[in-house]
Amino acid sequence: GENVEQHPSTLSVQEGDSAVIKCTYSDSASNYFPWYKQELGKRPQLIIDIRSNVGEKKDQRIAVTLNKTAKHFSLHITETQPEDSAVYFCAASRGSNYKLTFGKGTLLTVNP
Amino acid sequence: GAVVSQHPSWVICKSGTSVKIECRSLDFQATTMFWYRQFPKQSLMLMATSNEGSKATYEQGVEKDKFLINHASLTLSTLTVTSAHPEDSSFYICSAPPGGRSSETQYFGPGTRLLVL
Repeated sequence: GENVEQHPSTLSVQEGDSAVIKCTYSDSASNYFPWYKQELGKRPQLIIDIRSNVGEKKDQRIAVTLNKTAKHFSLHITETQPEDSAVYFCAASRGSNYKLTFGKGTLLTVNP
Repeated sequence: GAVVSQHPSWVICKSGTSVKIECRSLDFQATTMFWYRQFPKQSLMLMATSNEGSKATYEQGVEKDKFLINHASLTLSTLTVTSAHPEDSSFYICSAPPGGRSSETQYFGPGTRLLVL
């Protein structure tokens, strides 16, 4: 089955700095890679996703890159703000109506 | 759009009792729903895939007789934790893809926190 590795497990940055979280996956059939943000006690919220036919996607301060050959994808957050502090999960899936396999999560702390 | 609700949000029960958790897609139909369990400071672990009109598919190591799943309609899936024990205490979250062109995307319910005494 799919295995998703996520690094780092914790990340602390100063407000305004950039944050990068990296994930690798094992299943070459995976073609959909979402990123979720989870605040304490709340549901995971989709923040950005990318499909395997695209190498990069950006939405304001958030961007995701995908390297299919190396089987890794990364989340980039620029100009971080204290409200970005949360746990971020990467995931991989084979696509339509298929299960998500999650990484172990990254606790991001943005210090004012 | 793509709103998923869960009920109840909190449940406390005695060891040995059964607990039913509902997951509803409010503004779309979902032929497939997913049930996850999340322990404190850990990731989401898929328990089972709920399929409307057919049996659920359970992940390895998940006891299907203990975690009963019923996908009664295109907008409702239920998870029943039978004979709950303290080790079943966890955060249970469902998700559903909204279908159509966005059927890879999964939207999560708010979760149900279960505490078994």
